[in-house]
Amino acid sequence: NAGVTQTPKFQVLKTGQSMTLQCAQDMNHEYMSWYRQDPGMGLRLIHYSVGAGITDQGEVPNGYNVSRSTTEDFPLRLLSAAPSQTSVYFCASSRDDSPPTGNTIYFGEGSWLTVV
Amino acid sequence: SQKIEQNSEALNIQEGKTATLTCNYTNYSPAYLQWYRQDPGRGPVFLLLIRENEKEKRKERLKVTFDTTLKQSLFHITASQPADSATYLCALFYNQGGKLIFGQGTELSVKP
Repeated sequence: NAGVTQTPKFQVLKTGQSMTLQCAQDMNHEYMSWYRQDPGMGLRLIHYSVGAGITDQGEVPNGYNVSRSTTEDFPLRLLSAAPSQTSVYFCASSRDDSPPTGNTIYFGEGSWLTVV
Repeated sequence: SQKIEQNSEALNIQEGKTATLTCNYTNYSPAYLQWYRQDPGRGPVFLLLIRENEKEKRKERLKVTFDTTLKQSLFHITASQPADSATYLCALFYNQGGKLIFGQGTELSVKP
């Protein structure tokens, strides 16, 4: 089982460039989400999806777009990269009744993004 | 807004001792609380969940307590090993808002 797969692992962008972080899961999970992790701060929710075709904003959505055309994939798009978006990004997935029921959330290995 | 605080300083302990990590929160008590382990360069891995009506949960060498009066959860690793060295995150779920909120994590270092 691959679990949650993120690509790329590392990326350097110039200010103003756009890019897409890919996320795929093979566990048939309905709930998928994107977090960013910055030094000294907890993981912060960017966007999430409760199923194909349904997305919603999290705590820090500005500058990011998402879509969910399939159950498996949940890409995160940076529209016009800014240095403030330098961070580590984690994709996560869980069963359709989580997080309210507390089902295990599975995280990907992370994508390190630097915006110069 | 809800705030979560974990020990910001790294915790250094000797192998074989019990490590105790703290997660404090403000305002409302969460519906449940989770603990995760994160190794350098990796994603968090779920360890344990404890609900608001539970006082204690155990899993092998791990024990979590939840005190809604103190607004605190303690995470214990007994008979600690160097392989337990990692950053440990707590996460709280609140029914109001329906979101999972993470603490910043505490780094644990177990010396042989």
